[in-house]
Amino acid sequence: EAGVAQSPRYKIIEKRQSVAFWCNPISGHATLYWYQQILGQGPKLLIQFQNNGVVDDSQLPKDRFSAERLKGVDSTLKIQPAKLEDSAVYLCASSLVEGAKAFFGQGTRLTVV
Amino acid sequence: GENVEQHPSTLSVQEGDSAVIKCTYSDSASNYFPWYKQELGKGPQLIIDIRSNVGEKKDQRIAVTLNKTAKHFSLHITETQPEDSAVYFCAASAGNEKLTFGTGTRLTIIP
Repeated sequence: EAGVAQSPRYKIIEKRQSVAFWCNPISGHATLYWYQQILGQGPKLLIQFQNNGVVDDSQLPKDRFSAERLKGVDSTLKIQPAKLEDSAVYLCASSLVEGAKAFFGQGTRLTVV
Repeated sequence: GENVEQHPSTLSVQEGDSAVIKCTYSDSASNYFPWYKQELGKGPQLIIDIRSNVGEKKDQRIAVTLNKTAKHFSLHITETQPEDSAVYFCAASAGNEKLTFGTGTRLTIIP
């Protein structure tokens, strides 16, 4: 069974630029999560989708971050404009349903300079 | 909201010895407690999980115990091997709510 796929693996941008990350969850998984992991910390949830609807985006900085999950499968997370403090690993995870085991992708390491 | 504390932040053990990592949670409604292993440059990998209707779960060299009264749960790794070296995260959630992660434990196995 294929795991959660993310791209790109690495991205370096200058502050105030924009960037987008892509995630393809495990086939059949209805729930998709985007987490931010700052170096030395545990992952923090940014947004959770159930199919193509948003379940929880309470910790998403909506003035600069946006995410969508069209057709309830793939998802993209965008940052515009980026700040230095956005430097982190962005992890995508999926689960069969809400509350079930969550499986993570390898993440995208973003460096904002 | 939920708050998960994890100890210790770093742990070094001799190969073959046991390692124990402890977490406490604040929300008494939490009922799902997974443990993740994260190797350098990789995403977290689910290694074991437990729900609040059981007190202990074991999978080969890995076990998790849960004390609902005290609101703490622990990861036990026996007969440690070099490949066990990684960062381990505990997490907790209530029902369909989001996972809240601990701050991680860097485990080093000394050959």
